Amino acid sequence: AQSVTQLGSHVSVSEGALVLLRCNYSSSVPPYLFWYVQYPNQGLQLLLKYTSAATLVKGINGFEAEFKKSETSFHLTKPSAHMSDAAEYFCAVSDYNTDKLIFGTGTRLQVFP
Amino acid sequence: EPEVTQTPSHQVTQMGQEVILRCVPISNHLYFYWYRQILGQKVEFLVSFYNNEISEKSEIFDDQFSVERPDGSNFTLKIRSTKLEDSAMYFCASMIRQPTDTQYFGPGTRLTVL
Repeated sequence: AQSVTQLGSHVSVSEGALVLLRCNYSSSVPPYLFWYVQYPNQGLQLLLKYTSAATLVKGINGFEAEFKKSETSFHLTKPSAHMSDAAEYFCAVSDYNTDKLIFGTGTRLQVFP
Repeated sequence: EPEVTQTPSHQVTQMGQEVILRCVPISNHLYFYWYRQILGQKVEFLVSFYNNEISEKSEIFDDQFSVERPDGSNFTLKIRSTKLEDSAMYFCASMIRQPTDTQYFGPGTRLTVL
């Protein structure tokens, strides 16, 4: 069965600092991996996705993530945090057998001035 | 930009009552989903729907739940007899094709069962 683990339910960074949100997955078949962001009172918006092409994936708002099979990881990074990045971030996994998304528990990112 | 819409944004109901949550997917999308998020917990898959039938459902999606696409635009989730534990945020999503395409999510309906 597939699963996703997000380490750190809360992450706090200063504006301009590096953002690193961790995601590890478990899947018996090659996974498809996604990062979604949820701003307050809004739905889930796709940041980026990995579907077996390039292992370094660039998304919206300056975010990127690298698929590392050896580490079963898909960590999300952004070189310089902005106040507007404050939100909840969800990592999710699926595969070619199914289109249902299995989500992690989410990481709430706080950005301090 | 096209988006998924959901109504109502917040629904309060008494235990045992039926509720219908409504979603309007993006117009050219063919695959439809419902997920839910109990407060403080992860987003969980409930059901996927394609070509007017359920293609996959989770253990959560028992006989109390049903989905329907009554016309060409709406996609509904019905809970026949609500329980306290049904209180959650319910998200609708839609996608053009599976499985590597993006699922676009609506803003959610917060269901409160008293």
